[in-house]
Amino acid sequence: ILNVEQSPQSLHVQEGDSTNFTCSFPSSNFYALHWYRWETAKSPEALFVMTLNGDEKKKGRISATLNTKEGYSYLYIKGSQPEDSATYLCASLLRGSNYQLIWGAGTKLIIKP
Amino acid sequence: ETGVTQSPTHLIKTRGQQVTLRCSSQSGHNTVSWYQQALGQGPQFIFQYYREEENGRGNFPPRFSGLQFPNYSSELNVNALELDDSALYLCASSLAAGTTSYGYTFGSGTRLTVV
Repeated sequence: ILNVEQSPQSLHVQEGDSTNFTCSFPSSNFYALHWYRWETAKSPEALFVMTLNGDEKKKGRISATLNTKEGYSYLYIKGSQPEDSATYLCASLLRGSNYQLIWGAGTKLIIKP
Repeated sequence: ETGVTQSPTHLIKTRGQQVTLRCSSQSGHNTVSWYQQALGQGPQFIFQYYREEENGRGNFPPRFSGLQFPNYSSELNVNALELDDSALYLCASSLAAGTTSYGYTFGSGTRLTVV
């Protein structure tokens, strides 16, 4: 069974603080790693698609790193704001997987004003 | 810019019935994927359609079937509904059948409750 694990399951962070969380995925047959932000009552929104080992991507105050050899990715949020409150999901795409994204259960981030 | 639209937003069905969920893909996208999300879990891949053909399927029984139309909109059909089919069903569109640089564009989902 190929699982994608995310930790922690939930996180409370004070406004203005920085935070990070982890996505672990199968390292063999790796093809791509996706990160999405999902706010309550809205659609999941794509943040990053990462394919290269050592890659780092940035979008405003949010950045992500990728280690395909050991099978993990970190998502960082700098200077958290209330609008960052959401569930952050990662999903792994493996070679030969029939285009099937394997999803983690998400990290629920709550920013306290 | 048009996003992905799913209908209906909520639906209650009785065990044994059949249901059809609909998805309009984002303008310019030719690929649609369907996912099932049960409470507290990540989405589970059901299948993907590329240019009207199913080109990938997850671990779901044959009573889950789909269609993609020439305008790239899509339907998910579930026959003989079971209580465990109660979930949020998400549709996502993309420009290519495989991964893209920009990820998938998701709809808001259809909440299906089977009683």
